Amino acid sequence: DGGITQSPKYLFRKEGQNVTLSCEQNLNHDAMYWYRQDPGQGLRLIYYSQIVNDFQKGDIAEGYSVSREKKESFPLTVTSAQKNPTAFYLCASTAKRDYNEQFFGPGTRLTVL
Amino acid sequence: KQEVTQIPAALSVPEGENLVLNCSFTDSAIYNLQWFRQDPGKGLTSLLLIQSSQREQTSGRLNASLDKSSGRSTLYIAASQPGDSATYLCAVLLTGGGNKLTFGTGTQLKVEL
Repeated sequence: DGGITQSPKYLFRKEGQNVTLSCEQNLNHDAMYWYRQDPGQGLRLIYYSQIVNDFQKGDIAEGYSVSREKKESFPLTVTSAQKNPTAFYLCASTAKRDYNEQFFGPGTRLTVL
Repeated sequence: KQEVTQIPAALSVPEGENLVLNCSFTDSAIYNLQWFRQDPGKGLTSLLLIQSSQREQTSGRLNASLDKSSGRSTLYIAASQPGDSATYLCAVLLTGGGNKLTFGTGTQLKVEL
């Protein structure tokens, strides 16, 4: 089945640790995105990548880093510099041929202990 | 800066009722508008995408309309069912916006038996 997978589903982090969230897609989409969702705030864009080996900061990039070494993969690292990382993280992708319709993965819930 | 507002924030209706969810946006230079459904703890499921040149899109019991000049979109759900209970989000993609969606905060819908 074509789709977007995110792992793990739940992640617990201790203060001062870096953690990496995985996002993989087999839709052959060019662009990939990372969002953060907090209760009552909607989705906010962290980083996005429109092509391999290139990515841009979104609205709340501080404390996060990404890489895009393969078209299928767009991992997100939450660094210790992110002061309030507890949130639901969503990965998405789009194909320009489909009028930029955006498709989402199932999400990763990160909790800082 | 594009702002997207959804009213009401929460809605509870009896089964079988037809209902309308509202989405408004401040910048009319949009490329498309997308409606999503989100179940608790899950990712987003794309429901309908309306291109800027279109007035409406239909899928089953769902109909979405777009009025760019007034900065509004509505999602009409016919003959609501308990399985429709979820949070509904709208998002707009600006022309020349680097493929970045701006999301509303959603309408939480509960359909009661």
